[in-house]
Amino acid sequence: DGGITQSPKYLFRKEGQNVTLSCEQNLNHDAMYWYRQDPGQGLRLIYYSQIVNDFQKGDIAEGYSVSREKKESFPLTVTSAQKNPTAFYLCASGAVSWTEREKLFFGSGTQLSVL
Amino acid sequence: DQQVKQNSPSLSVQEGRISILNCDYTNSMFDYFLWYKKYPAEGPTFLISISSIKDKNEDGRFTVFLNKSAKHLSLHIVPSQPGDSAVYFCAASGSDMRFGAGTRLTVKP
Repeated sequence: DGGITQSPKYLFRKEGQNVTLSCEQNLNHDAMYWYRQDPGQGLRLIYYSQIVNDFQKGDIAEGYSVSREKKESFPLTVTSAQKNPTAFYLCASGAVSWTEREKLFFGSGTQLSVL
Repeated sequence: DQQVKQNSPSLSVQEGRISILNCDYTNSMFDYFLWYKKYPAEGPTFLISISSIKDKNEDGRFTVFLNKSAKHLSLHIVPSQPGDSAVYFCAASGSDMRFGAGTRLTVKP
């Protein structure tokens, strides 16, 4: 089955700790994205990558970091610099950049909470 | 700066009736619009889309209407079914993709 997998489903972060959210896809998609969802707000773009070894900041990149060493994987690290990390995080992938008018495929999300 | 707005956080309709979900946008550079559906504890899934060169796109029970002059789009579901109960996100694409806050639809049997 082709799809996009996020893990873990739930994650807890202690003060001053970095945590990493996993995102893997086997859809052979070039583009991958990280969004954050807060209650009552739309999905906000954190980072995106259109090709291996390249990524771009979205609207709310501060306090986050990513890597794209493999086409299939786009992990997101929430650093201690992110002061309000509690949110639902969604990873997505697309065949090409959204500028090519392709729909996105989403993972099932990771709920991050601060202890 | 919310460029895509879904002003109704929730909507409740009776099974068999029409559901109308609305979405407004402010950026005239958006030229492609999508609707996604999200069930609890799952990621959003693509539902239907429309290009700015069209004013209507239909797929089974789902129809999306686009009014470019008003910068408004709507999703019609006819007839509504209990399985349609979910959160619906509107998205607009131009140089990037922006999402609305979502509308929770409840279809009552």
